[in-house]
Order: sequence, then C-alpha cells, then structure tokens
Amino acid sequence: GENVEQHPSTLSVQEGDSAVIKCTYSDSASNYFPWYKQELGKRPQLIIDIRSNVGEKKDQRIAVTLNKTAKHFSLHITETQPEDSAVYFCAASINTNAGKSTFGDGTTLTVKP
Amino acid sequence: GAGVSQTPSNKVTEKGKYVELRCDPISGHTALYWYRQSLGQGPEFLIYFQGTGAADDSGLPNDRFFAVRPEGSVSTLKIQRTERGDSAVYLCASSLSDGHEQYFGPGTRLTVT
Repeated sequence: GENVEQHPSTLSVQEGDSAVIKCTYSDSASNYFPWYKQELGKRPQLIIDIRSNVGEKKDQRIAVTLNKTAKHFSLHITETQPEDSAVYFCAASINTNAGKSTFGDGTTLTVKP
Repeated sequence: GAGVSQTPSNKVTEKGKYVELRCDPISGHTALYWYRQSLGQGPEFLIYFQGTGAADDSGLPNDRFFAVRPEGSVSTLKIQRTERGDSAVYLCASSLSDGHEQYFGPGTRLTVT
C-alpha cells in the first residue's frame, strides 16, 4: 500500500522567514496530494492541494510543488506569521478513491514572533 | 452552513465494552470517511462510504470495528469489546463526492480504561 513520509517532524522559524515541509510517497498511482493544517485540539483543515497534472500551485503565501518522477511534494509558506503555528499534514491518494488518503506523521511548525 | 459534526466529543469506556460513535456529514455530501488519529501521528484511514455502501473498508483494523450509513447521511462507527489500544481520536470527514475536498469533523476522543 501507499507509504507517505514527512520531514521534518518539527520546524521552528522566525516570523517573516519561509518554511518548507517535504513529503515523499511510494505509490506511483497516487495523483492527489492535499495539505492540512491542524491547530491544537482542532480538526484538520485543508489549506492547499495539488493534482498530478500540475507541478506547482500557489495561494497567497502558500505554495505546493510536486515532482512526480521523484515522488515527492513540498509545502512552502512565505512571510510566516505566529498564527501559522500548527501541525501540518501531507497526504496522498488516488483521485478516483480519494477516501483512501494516506497521511504523513505531521510537522509541528512554530513561528517565533 | 453547518459543518461536519460528531458525537460524543469525548467518550471514556472500560475495556471490553461496546461503543458507538456518530458522524453527521455536511448536507448533500455523498462521500463519508472515518479516520483514527493517535497522538503525534497523522489520521489513519479506516473506512469510506459512497452513499449507503462501504466503498472501501480496508482500513478497519479487525472485525471488532464496524460502520454503517443506512440512509446515506449519518454514519455510526461501532467498536465491540474495546481494548486500550483503541484509544485515539476518531475523525469523520465528508465530501461532495469521491475526489473532492474533505471536510473534517471535530473528532471523538475515545479513551479505553
């Protein structure tokens, strides 16, 4: 089955700096890659996603890149703010069966003011 | 509109007991997913419904776990003969249909003593 690895497990940056979180996946059939933000004690919320027919997607300060050949994808947050502090999860799934998402173990991002 | 809701928010039960966890998806969402999240880990897929039928139950850990969605809306996850290892946050998510953004509920924290 699919295996998703996420790095780093913790990341601390100064406010205004950029943060990058990387994930690799094993199943070449995976074609949908969402990223979720989960604040302490709250539900995961989708922040951005990318499908395998594009290599990059951007939404304001957040961008995701996908390298299908290498089977890895990354989340980039620019101009970080303290409210970006949370746990971030990547996931991979086959679009025709999106329910079977396989998640990484999460990255705890801390943005220091 | 109302998001995904789950009840109860917390459930403490003794080892060996039976529990039911309920999920109310967003109205009109045909796809419903159950995940389990242990501390420090990403959500782990359990089962996925498309309408009333379980499209994929490959994530259920064993036959003590069962889920139903009789009318294609509310779903109940049932756990028999609970074990301490079942302790986790059980998350429900729904989406318009297979392959669309998943919206998560707040989760039910299950503690088996």
